[in-house]
Order: sequence, then C-alpha cells, then structure tokens
Amino acid sequence: DAGVIQSPRHEVTEMGQEVTLRCKPISGHDYLFWYRQTMMRGLELLIYFNNNVPIDDSGMPEDRFSAKMPNASFSTLKIQPSEPRDSAVYFCASRPRQGAPGNTIYFGEGSWLTVV
Amino acid sequence: GEDVEQSLFLSVREGDSSVINCTYTDSSSTYLYWYKQEPGAGLQLLTYIFSNMDMKQDQRLTVLLNKKDKHLSLRIADTQTGDSAIYFCAERSGYALNFGKGTSLLVTP
Repeated sequence: DAGVIQSPRHEVTEMGQEVTLRCKPISGHDYLFWYRQTMMRGLELLIYFNNNVPIDDSGMPEDRFSAKMPNASFSTLKIQPSEPRDSAVYFCASRPRQGAPGNTIYFGEGSWLTVV
Repeated sequence: GEDVEQSLFLSVREGDSSVINCTYTDSSSTYLYWYKQEPGAGLQLLTYIFSNMDMKQDQRLTVLLNKKDKHLSLRIADTQTGDSAIYFCAERSGYALNFGKGTSLLVTP
C-alpha cells in the first residue's frame, strides 16, 4: 500500500507567487482532508472532500486559498498569492468510507512550505 | 470550537514508563486517537479507542479512557530513545479529526 502521497515535499517560494500542493489519496478512500500545521496553531483542518465533493471548507483561511479534487485519486491545494504567514506544513490525509474499522485517517508526509 | 488539551512537554528516562494525558470536550466523540510525529515526518497512527471502551492495550501501548471526565491517556511501557517524538491526541469531529497541539516526549539515556 503506497499510502497518501504528497508533492512537493519541500517548497521555498517568494511572496506573491502561486503555490500548488498536490495529493494522491490511498486508493479506495472516500474522504480526503487538507490540514495545516504551525507551531502557534497546531493542526488545523482546512477543507475536506467526500467522493470528490468539497463538504466543509470553513477552515480555509481566506480567498487566497483554494482546493480542488477533480477525481478520486488527485487533489490540489493552491495559494495565490502566497504570503510569509502561509509558511507551514500542509498535510493531506484520507479515510475509507464511513463504517470502516476505527474510521482512521491516514496522513501523508506533508509539504513543507516556506514563503520568503 | 471544541478544544483538545495536552501538556506540551514530557521528559522520561529510557526504560521508564511514559504517560501522556489529554482532555477533550466533545462528549459525542465516538473514537479517540493517538498519533505520533517524528521530526520532519507526517503523522503516524499509533492506536485508537472506541468510546464505549475503558482500556485498550497494544504491545507497549496502553490507552485509558475516562469518558465521564473526558480524559484520555497513553502509556508507553519501557520507553526507548526511538519513542522521542510529538504525540497527538485527537477526537472525532464529524468526519474529520480535531487535534490537540501535541506533547513532545524526550527520552534520555
């Protein structure tokens, strides 16, 4: 099992540039989550999808952030324009359908973003 | 929103037991989880417990749940230096997970 795959693993970009983070969930998982991790705020849920449909995007900080899931095996999180305060680790996670044992969420290795 | 609270730091000696505590606020949580994060890595699921259980043991890990007090703990027996990491407690919040800020465990030789 390949697990949740994220790219890029590390990105350094200049303020004002567009950043696109990518995620491939575990095959067969119906739910996909984007989390952001910072020292100050810990792990925050940004948005999640069920069967490719965005269900709750109330955690998305502002209009500069957008997320898409065009198919069951791919999702993107885009920041445009990026700002230094967006520097964080962005995690993608996926979960099997409701009712699977533990309803466990599996995380990718994260995309470490630095905006200078 | 609901808060999951954890102490920020714990230091133990190698071979001792570690106990990491967590309090949660959502009494409707059906599952509670413990994740481990090593430096530069993602979150690895350690274990979970269903809310109708009081205890779950998995090798060196013991999870205790006091639903009345909304208190969850993770005990690591015979702690090793490789157990040094950040440990996150999480509760189910709808279809997602709500995490604490994590407890940094330092294991000294």
